[in-house]
Amino acid sequence: GQNIDQPTEMTATEGAIVQINCTYQTSGFNGLFWYQQHAGEAPTFLSYNVLDGLEEKGRFSSFLSRSKGYSYLLLKELQMKDSASYLCAGLDSNYQLIWGAGTKLIIKP
Amino acid sequence: ETGVTQTPRHLVMGMTNKKSLKCEQHLGHNAMYWYKQSAKKPLELMFVYNFKEQTENNSVPSRFSPECPNSSHLFLHLHTLQPEDSALYLCASSQGTSGGPTDTQYFGPGTRLTVL
Repeated sequence: GQNIDQPTEMTATEGAIVQINCTYQTSGFNGLFWYQQHAGEAPTFLSYNVLDGLEEKGRFSSFLSRSKGYSYLLLKELQMKDSASYLCAGLDSNYQLIWGAGTKLIIKP
Repeated sequence: ETGVTQTPRHLVMGMTNKKSLKCEQHLGHNAMYWYKQSAKKPLELMFVYNFKEQTENNSVPSRFSPECPNSSHLFLHLHTLQPEDSALYLCASSQGTSGGPTDTQYFGPGTRLTVL
């Protein structure tokens, strides 16, 4: 079956760094997406990885290892506004997104 | 700024009512999606339309009926729903559905549906 696993909740301190992990099992693989969703709002696109390695975009970076079925989202210099849920999703061989349940990130002052 | 709008934002309906959710995308995309989001669960894909043609129907009960009159508009018609259908219904669009960054989906704000 297809599955995306990520931690349910994480807590971090303002100004610190946090890494949110995601492991995936999909039928075929056409890339991995990360989205941010604030409470009561729509998910917004953060990153897309299809090749192994690290993609950096400002304070946010995303890493992919296809051989390990593993990705992580790295958030640096955390701000209070980064408190949100982070959704990991894998694109399968039918070009459908398989979603994780999301990781709720709580930022403390 | 998402470029995808949904109406209404909130809807309360009885089990015998008929209502419709509307989605419009202003991004020039070719594919549109309906998702159901329940608390602490992964997004559930309901329907996919690509160039106005339905390409996916993930075993959704017939009390949910989609309609896609053109590439910019998508409707979800609701009829005799159950209380367990209460959830956030999200619409999304993407440029394509054939792999790569063009499959990036952009979401509307959702309709919070409560079935009494």
